[in-house]
Amino acid sequence: AQKVTQAQTEISVVEKEDVTLDCVYETRDTTYYLFWYKQPPSGELVFLIRRNSFDEQNEISGRYSWNFQKSTSSFNFTITASQVVDSAVYFCALLFYGGSQGNLIFGKGTKLSVKP
Amino acid sequence: DVKVTQSSRYLVKRTGEKVFLECVQDMDHENMFWYRQDPGLGLRLIYFSYDVKMKEKGDIPEGYSVSREKKERFSLILESASTNQTSMYLCASSLFRDGGVLSNQPQHFGDGTRLSIL
Repeated sequence: AQKVTQAQTEISVVEKEDVTLDCVYETRDTTYYLFWYKQPPSGELVFLIRRNSFDEQNEISGRYSWNFQKSTSSFNFTITASQVVDSAVYFCALLFYGGSQGNLIFGKGTKLSVKP
Repeated sequence: DVKVTQSSRYLVKRTGEKVFLECVQDMDHENMFWYRQDPGLGLRLIYFSYDVKMKEKGDIPEGYSVSREKKERFSLILESASTNQTSMYLCASSLFRDGGVLSNQPQHFGDGTRLSIL
């Protein structure tokens, strides 16, 4: 079965701490895409990053970094020196095709609270 | 910047009413989507559309229908609203359906409509 697991339902940290949000996925496909989205309290999901299955290179964007490891089927997201504005629900998503026209499934989300 | 606009931020309706949720995008995207978001369940796809007058069922289409008469507009219809349809509804759009498969382009979301059915 294809699925996305975000085992951490809620995380609470104090400002300036580093925090890692876990995402584990399952798919039989060799070609697939992984995404992270951020949903702040305002409600709108904001796209953060996309990775395809052939590109295991880690990525850093400012305080954000992503670690993609096919060997463990994980695509973890780390925020360095967290800030209050990072408080949001974060979703990991998997796009796969499996011989069909494609499906995009989301994890259940991790709610991050960053306290001052 | 892509703008996806949902007509209402908050909506309260009564059981049995026919409810229309409207979504408009301004970037000429081919794909449009309707999700519902519930605590502990994440996002679940209700319907999506690849083109005008075209629709596909998602994971939870029961009790819903959709309409796409124009490329920029995708409407979600609750035929006879029930209390279990109280939820946050999110609309999204993305670029073209490439080669007959779902696009790998990121989806752009609206602010959501929080719908309460009394």
